[in-house]
Amino acid sequence: EIVLTQSPALMAASPGEKVTITCSVSSSISSSNLHWYQQKSETSPKPWIYGTSNLASGVPVRFSGSGSGTSYSLTISSMEAEDAATYYCQQWSSYPFTFGSGTKLEIK
Amino acid sequence: QVQLQQPGAELVRPGASVKLSCKASGYTFTSYWMNWVKQRPEQGLEWIGRIDPYDSETHYNQKFKDKAILTVDKSSSTAYMQLSSLTSEDSAVYYCARENIITTVVDHWGQGTLVTVSA
Repeated sequence: EIVLTQSPALMAASPGEKVTITCSVSSSISSSNLHWYQQKSETSPKPWIYGTSNLASGVPVRFSGSGSGTSYSLTISSMEAEDAATYYCQQWSSYPFTFGSGTKLEIK
Repeated sequence: QVQLQQPGAELVRPGASVKLSCKASGYTFTSYWMNWVKQRPEQGLEWIGRIDPYDSETHYNQKFKDKAILTVDKSSSTAYMQLSSLTSEDSAVYYCARENIITTVVDHWGQGTLVTVSA
């Protein structure tokens, strides 16, 4: 089973601050099969970034994704209040498909 | 627009089974894999398995192999997941979620069904 380790588990950022969340993958995967989801309280997850670096529909351009092999990241260039949420990385490369444990991002 | 409709909640007794439904609309049901994901309170996401509605091919997370059975009814565009021998560990929100056939990202999620296992 491929294990995804996200860091940090919890963080707080001020408005305008740059934010980076990392996702470390236990075995190398194709970057086309690494995705990110955003989840806010009491709601379903939303697709956020797919194939490492492609923004899903409606995602603000202040978000970006990068990485390859076993190391991936999600970056917010300038934190806004609406970005407060939990972010999950996910691999769709080999069974069982797995998610990272999540990064809870709060606004200061 | 794509919609995946799930019941809001189910209350079931320990040891019993429950069959969760996910009615799809707004797209060709048989053209997209359907996935099921578990989320326990204040916990992360766990992939249970997926089914191809076209031919009912399934893939399971081994962890749920004896717990979940995925099926579909093409005539009503509805996917089902039956959970058996329920315990408190099965109390969770269960999402059905459509997989994009090109990008593999899960691009539409149901609202989730909260399953509570309690006597």
